[in-house]
Amino acid sequence: GESVGLHLPTLSVQEGDNSIINCAYSNSASDYFIWYKQESGKGPQFIIDIRSNMDKRQGQRVTVLLNKTVKHLSLQIAATQPGDSAVYFCAEPFSGRRALTFGSGTRLQVQP
Amino acid sequence: DTGVSQNPRHKITKRGQNVTFRCDPISEHNRLYWYRQTLGQGPEFLTYFQNEAQLEKSRLLSDRFSAERPKGSFSTLEIQRTEQGDSAMYLCASSFDGQGGSGYTFGSGTRLTVV
Repeated sequence: GESVGLHLPTLSVQEGDNSIINCAYSNSASDYFIWYKQESGKGPQFIIDIRSNMDKRQGQRVTVLLNKTVKHLSLQIAATQPGDSAVYFCAEPFSGRRALTFGSGTRLQVQP
Repeated sequence: DTGVSQNPRHKITKRGQNVTFRCDPISEHNRLYWYRQTLGQGPEFLTYFQNEAQLEKSRLLSDRFSAERPKGSFSTLEIQRTEQGDSAMYLCASSFDGQGGSGYTFGSGTRLTVV
């Protein structure tokens, strides 16, 4: 079936560096993607989303890039802080946008 | 309104026992979702309600699982005759019609351990 997946399970960065988390998807018809952050013991928290008619979208310290040619998206976090330590998931809607399918996640570890 | 609330936060049960979890969504949200998340994995969709109607169920939702949303507000998820493979975090989320990812709010989950 269609899937949303991630390249790396764990990413370790130094505080203040930029982080890049990658995600591949397989359905070329996918038109909407969402990034979530999940801290230990909490549910996923919305970070940023992007529609397929865009290549780039920026938020506060975060940027999502979408490359439809290779079916790849990335989340860039600028000036990574200890509070950014969490698991990050990309997700996309399915079943008429009634539900989300998630990848397995990337754990971001920020070293002080 | 403080967001999506789930109770209990943790539940330890013996294999074969029944358990019930509760989810209180954001009050104005008419859509409610249940997901299951095992360690190191992303959440997996279980079922979806629009108001009180259960409109979709995943193949993951076996006959031992039942979910209700009787008045279109809170929802319960019951697991009968629990098995060790049911050990997971059960997440509830809610949203309002037409809202995208930013309007999809998750609770903190109920962690189930079956011993």
